[in-house]
Amino acid sequence: KQEVTQIPAALSVPEGENLVLNCSFTDSAIYNLQWFRQDPGKGLTSLLLIQSSQREQTSGRLNASLDKSSGRSTLYIAASQPGDSATYLCAVGSNYQLIWGAGTKLIIKP
Amino acid sequence: GAGVSQSPSNKVTEKGKDVELRCDPISGHTALYWYRQSLGQGLEFLIYFQGNSAPDKSGLPSDRFSAERTGGSVSTLTIQRTQQEDSAVYLCASSFGRLQETQYFGPGTRLLVL
Repeated sequence: KQEVTQIPAALSVPEGENLVLNCSFTDSAIYNLQWFRQDPGKGLTSLLLIQSSQREQTSGRLNASLDKSSGRSTLYIAASQPGDSATYLCAVGSNYQLIWGAGTKLIIKP
Repeated sequence: GAGVSQSPSNKVTEKGKDVELRCDPISGHTALYWYRQSLGQGLEFLIYFQGNSAPDKSGLPSDRFSAERTGGSVSTLTIQRTQQEDSAVYLCASSFGRLQETQYFGPGTRLLVL
């Protein structure tokens, strides 16, 4: 059974710092891995989608990597801003489902 | 273009009553998903529709939960005889249908069962 873990559960850093969020999964037989952002009281916003054949994806200040053999993905956020404050969720595409991590709550202090 | 829409945005009901939650996917998306997010917990898969195929209901927590998708578009999630543990945010997502495609989420319906 696929399990997805995100560490840390919460993270608070000063504005301007670069940071890394971690996601690990137990079964390497995945179709893809997605990173989402969830703002309080709002739905989910897809940030990056990495197909199983890819190693990384970049969008603006965000870079996500995927290492299937070790069951790990990282989301790198460069030059963090207060507007980046949100909960970041990692989801692994397995069969027809997304298996979700519990998220990392990120706070960027001005 | 328009995103995934869900209604109502909030629903408060009494224990034992039935509720219906609606999802309107992005036009042209053949796949539709329902998820549940309970307070302080991760998202839980409920059901998946793909075109006219039989839905994957493997995530539905009990037989009180059912879902329909009419005409390959709008979907309704029905919870019968609601219980307090059904209180959660119910999220709907749609995609172009291929397993590798990004899922786009609606804002969710916050259900509170008193």
